[in-house]
Amino acid sequence: GAGVSQSPSNKVTEKGKDVELRCDPISGHTALYWYRQSLGQGLEFLIYFQGNSAPDKSGLPSDRFSAERTGGSVSTLTIQRTQQEDSAVYLCASSPYEGGAKNIQYFGAGTRLSVL
Amino acid sequence: GESVGLHLPTLSVQEGDNSIINCAYSNSASDYFIWYKQESGKGPQFIIDIRSNMDKRQGQRVTVLLNKTVKHLSLQIAATQPGDSAVYFCAEITLLTGGGNKLTFGTGTQLKVEL
Repeated sequence: GAGVSQSPSNKVTEKGKDVELRCDPISGHTALYWYRQSLGQGLEFLIYFQGNSAPDKSGLPSDRFSAERTGGSVSTLTIQRTQQEDSAVYLCASSPYEGGAKNIQYFGAGTRLSVL
Repeated sequence: GESVGLHLPTLSVQEGDNSIINCAYSNSASDYFIWYKQESGKGPQFIIDIRSNMDKRQGQRVTVLLNKTVKHLSLQIAATQPGDSAVYFCAEITLLTGGGNKLTFGTGTQLKVEL
């Protein structure tokens, strides 16, 4: 079946603008995660969704970052007033919530964000 | 703070040889580890996992070894092929509020397969 889909694949924006990144998880996966991959920082956790709720937002770096999930499926990560240090690849992953496979997260190809 | 890291940033091997990628972790309470492979322009891809109550697990051409005494993981790839060229990450799982699993990744090892 289809994997995790992210859009856009690339986004170039100007400093101070808002951006929205989209993630469409694997059908039936109730857990959804956002990570950021930047040079020098590796892959870092941002936020976790179970269904439409986000019980863990501990990785969001500032209040400029927010995310939502609707219908237990598609999620959007919004970055307001983008800064150059926000430039990175934003990765989304999904997994089943229960069962033996719950520990395995399946990743999308990511959105490469460049803030000029 | 807790961290998961890799000994070697780049590993070059000849096609057909075996590859060994190493990883050190610092959180002795970790009970679950995963190896991911990331090719250029793609997201990380699951390779193999291992629980802390095991010291070895085998997959197709891959074996993961866990040494809890020295907090060390290794990924062995048999008969390395050009398609194995990628960055390899080890990651440990920690529980999140609400029952999710947070992956804490190491910095990665670039594997280059030479023909």
